[in-house]
Amino acid sequence: AQKVTQAQTEISVVEKEDVTLDCVYETRDTTYYLFWYKQPPSGELVFLIRRNSFDEQNEISGRYSWNFQKSTSSFNFTITASQVVDSAVYFCALSEGQAGTALIFGKGTTLSVSS
Amino acid sequence: DSGVTQTPKHLITATGQRVTLRCSPRSGDLSVYWYQQSLDQGLQFLIQYYNGEERAKGNILERFSAQQFPDLHSELNLSSLELGDSALYFCASSVVDFDGYTFGSGTRLTVV
Repeated sequence: AQKVTQAQTEISVVEKEDVTLDCVYETRDTTYYLFWYKQPPSGELVFLIRRNSFDEQNEISGRYSWNFQKSTSSFNFTITASQVVDSAVYFCALSEGQAGTALIFGKGTTLSVSS
Repeated sequence: DSGVTQTPKHLITATGQRVTLRCSPRSGDLSVYWYQQSLDQGLQFLIQYYNGEERAKGNILERFSAQQFPDLHSELNLSSLELGDSALYFCASSVVDFDGYTFGSGTRLTVV
């Protein structure tokens, strides 16, 4: 069973639009970690956020915000006032159990922001 | 610079050949993870080492093997290469008290 689902394969928006990337996860562990990574066209994986299962507080970092809802097993990512530089593939990932367990990635969402 | 160093950055080789990818983890990190990113399979976990010992295995083929040396650097060996092994191979590292995973910039392997 797929443990991290990113149902949106591709999203296209125009600059300054807000966009939300969806992530639904599946785990039986009560302790787990959720992550978002960005992969720009250059190919490297850029860490955006880590959230553990005991911390449901939403987080805002500049134009980025994350909504973690255990009730729906979702960890959605919103970019406010998108910019062309936000164009990238975004991955949601899950690490189950104790810290340091390998990441399980979703298939990724390709975000294209046009000017 | 993330602190995780992967070499080489690019590698082109022929089918049937064997290659070795190298990863130096961030200073102080004991765990090393290898991932394969291909167009059809996405980002897949291959194998994890912790302080020289294999800790977890993912979707690693029998033709692939890895090890972590006493200085904590790791090598991923890919043998009898096939066209389908063409992918971006990432290494990541983490510390014992876990502040997340740091990824290297990857090795792009092209099998022709």
